[in-house]
Amino acid sequence: KNEVEQSPQNLTAQEGEFITINCSYSVGISALHWLQQHPGGGIVSLFMLSSGKKKHGRLIATINIQEKHSSLHITASHPRDSAVYICAVRSRSTGANSKLTFGKGITLSVRP
Amino acid sequence: EAGVAQSPRYKIIEKRQSVAFWCNPISGHATLYWYQQILGQGPKLLIQFQNNGVVDDSQLPKDRFSAERLKGVDSTLKIQPAKLEDSAVYLCASRPGYSGANVLTFGAGSRLTVL
Repeated sequence: KNEVEQSPQNLTAQEGEFITINCSYSVGISALHWLQQHPGGGIVSLFMLSSGKKKHGRLIATINIQEKHSSLHITASHPRDSAVYICAVRSRSTGANSKLTFGKGITLSVRP
Repeated sequence: EAGVAQSPRYKIIEKRQSVAFWCNPISGHATLYWYQQILGQGPKLLIQFQNNGVVDDSQLPKDRFSAERLKGVDSTLKIQPAKLEDSAVYLCASRPGYSGANVLTFGAGSRLTVL
């Protein structure tokens, strides 16, 4: 079993829809990252969470430490949101040796 | 601030040839990572540097891959000789090295195609 599982694997939505992407993990973590990767592009960090909820524009990220689960929500989705969304968790080890483990990513396509 | 710089962006080589990728992290970032991302998969850590020292290279195929960060600033990743399965995007990322600094910045990546 992978340490970081993401669902659904692929997601297609219509412009304007509310989208939820999920991430579950099995290890103790100090932080969870949501990353966005456009086709052919680099990776952009959207959020870093250690508890609760964060909001940036149309994006909302939540984390439940007890349930080892995080969600990324996109409100009023737009075709430019089409990208791969990757969840990554940082293990609880301290300092430079803490390890970042990535999920496989979810490919989101938003149709106009 | 300038981001993480990587070059080349694209490289096509034949199997058994050699290739080198370069990364210049954000100024002052002590921790530097090289990741390999095969199409359809999440990034896989190849090597992690703290300044000019190696912290983790457990998943680096050392028979063909090497990496260095001699002065603790920029870094090179070399593959010699390349195999077909090395076709991937090679991502460099950096972050401040002190404990609690979880902000991670990625470069645009270097896409390698091995024919």
